[in-house]
Amino acid sequence: DQQVKQNSPSLSVQEGRISILNCDYTNSMFDYFLWYKKYPAEGPTFLISISSIKDKNEDGRFTVFLNKSAKHLSLHIVPSQPGDSAVYFCAALRNTGKLIFGQGTTLQVKP
Amino acid sequence: DAGVIQSPRHEVTEMGQEVTLRCKPISGHDYLFWYRQTMMRGLELLIYFNNNVPIDDSGMPEDRFSAKMPNASFSTLKIQPSEPRDSAVYFCASSPQVAHYGYTFGSGTRLTVV
Repeated sequence: DQQVKQNSPSLSVQEGRISILNCDYTNSMFDYFLWYKKYPAEGPTFLISISSIKDKNEDGRFTVFLNKSAKHLSLHIVPSQPGDSAVYFCAALRNTGKLIFGQGTTLQVKP
Repeated sequence: DAGVIQSPRHEVTEMGQEVTLRCKPISGHDYLFWYRQTMMRGLELLIYFNNNVPIDDSGMPEDRFSAKMPNASFSTLKIQPSEPRDSAVYFCASSPQVAHYGYTFGSGTRLTVV
């Protein structure tokens, strides 16, 4: 039972353009949603999060949008840079500490 | 701070053998998590501990998998007997609390069962 889903395995974007990564969830009991970034041979690193009571959170080039009615969130990267090429994981957090991840989306930013 | 330390980085073993993966969390972190990364399912939560006590092990695939946390600075994930389908990257993560700013992950152990 996949509670967090990333339906796009990969995304390719030109440098300087916007990257939009999408994520859907099925459980309304999550308190926070997070995005992680992962480079090969490294562990995932935290990127940005959003509270379930918010609809937008911005940090520099990264913005996360939350649509609770659609149970959907997205990560926008503007402008995209070649160093952003990585696997991006969406995750959902409950107040018990349980953090559930999606399958990941591989982003390639072409120079 | 050395971060979350996992060992070994790579493990190759034959089917049927016992495998033990190790994790040292960041000092002072009360939560410890074990995840498995596969292409099909992404990062699966296997089990997590709070103050050395297992809180949720519903993600442990089957009885062949077991995890322990004998003290605040060490945890193990054991697979006995191992099977080729257990081949994956296993990550350990820790956190001082339930943290919306994210948990700190180790570099992972790549397990290959042949």
